[in-house]
Amino acid sequence: EADIYQTPRYLVIGTGKKITLECSQTMGHDKMYWYQQDPGMELHLIHYSYGVNSTEKGDLSSESTVSRIRTEHFPLTLESARPSHTSQYLCASSESGDASYGYTFGSGTRLTVV
Amino acid sequence: AQSVSQHNHHVILSEAASLELGCNYSYGGTVNLFWYVQYPGQHLQLLLKYFSGDPLVKGIKGFEAEFIKSKFSFNLRKPSVQWSDTAEYFCAVTSSYIPTFGRGTSLIVHP
Repeated sequence: EADIYQTPRYLVIGTGKKITLECSQTMGHDKMYWYQQDPGMELHLIHYSYGVNSTEKGDLSSESTVSRIRTEHFPLTLESARPSHTSQYLCASSESGDASYGYTFGSGTRLTVV
Repeated sequence: AQSVSQHNHHVILSEAASLELGCNYSYGGTVNLFWYVQYPGQHLQLLLKYFSGDPLVKGIKGFEAEFIKSKFSFNLRKPSVQWSDTAEYFCAVTSSYIPTFGRGTSLIVHP
């Protein structure tokens, strides 16, 4: 059972709506990440954080934003959802910067924008 | 920028067959290497990892991987697969704290 919790698990939403994907971890990890995963494709890093008040964009251009006000919480927000945002979004965390213990992943949020 | 290539996108095997999934990365510096597995409907889980030392690493469920630095490879192996090994397998590389994942290999094992 993962110690990272993502909600909702599935979301179908109309174009133009604002949505926030929630991610929380109970392990006290400093490093947290958001990935976008499409079937048969690489996991693309869209945002990451090294700790509270630290956020960076990943290698995949994204119209989403993130915040890290608390260590355990790393929500991702889309201000105006579009069909191109349809994908699976994975949240992950690691205890150390080089992930000596590996990354812990959440179960993901499958987003469909209609 | 680093990149990870997984050459086998879809692999279909019968139970008891041997498995080898290829993974190559492009980065000249020090890297840490991982294999993750995603069973149907479940989250990604760490299978094994390599940081230093013995280039042959053993993971859970009978999996192992060999790091060959000269070939920039970290291939995953299992001598005898089971139906329960049906899953998606991802190779990953980290350097400078940023992880990069391959596109995954879908493994289907027929009973």
